[in-house]
Amino acid sequence: AQTVTQSQPEMSVQEAETVTLSCTYDTSESDYYLFWYKQPPSRQMILVIRQEAYKQQNATENRFSVNFQKAAKSFSLKISDSQLGDAAMYFCAYNAGNMLTFGGGTRLMVKP
Amino acid sequence: DAEITQSPRHKITETGRQVTLACHQTWNHNNMFWYRQDLGHGLRLIHYSYGVQDTNKGEVSDGYSVSRSNTEDLPLTLESAASSQTSVYFCASSAGSLGTEAFFGQGTRLTVV
Repeated sequence: AQTVTQSQPEMSVQEAETVTLSCTYDTSESDYYLFWYKQPPSRQMILVIRQEAYKQQNATENRFSVNFQKAAKSFSLKISDSQLGDAAMYFCAYNAGNMLTFGGGTRLMVKP
Repeated sequence: DAEITQSPRHKITETGRQVTLACHQTWNHNNMFWYRQDLGHGLRLIHYSYGVQDTNKGEVSDGYSVSRSNTEDLPLTLESAASSQTSVYFCASSAGSLGTEAFFGQGTRLTVV
């Protein structure tokens, strides 16, 4: 079975600084996707960024980028120029097939 | 706009009672999922469906059941609520292709007393 691990239960960052959230996963599949979801206090799950395993280029969405290391099964999220609105739970998720497998989440706090 | 809605948003029930949480989506997605969210565990899959009349057990299915009689709805039933089922429940849907985005409802906070 696939597993997703987020080893940092909590992280904090100063506003305007950069922070990196870690995620590792275990799979025997060769074709899969990885996602980062954001969950603000409203509980809404918001897709931040996705990465296809076959693409070597790291995905980027504005201030959000990933460092995808396929051999190491590592998928970290970098948030640049952190804003107060980035404060949330962040979940890493794995997809091979029709369902998502989630990590335990990282709570990000942003200090003004 | 298409959406996925859950009801109720909050519910308190007593141990041993049967409870049903509703999930309705207007995306016309074939795939629907139920997850529970608990601190430190992220979201864990309870049940899922790939289409009408199709249901499958997920990682934490004991004590839960679902039925899929149409494309739009996947109600989740707790047969006999237990305190261990106190959690936040999320319904999600997706089009089904690998890598497509899953859309989530707003969640239902269930408290079993």
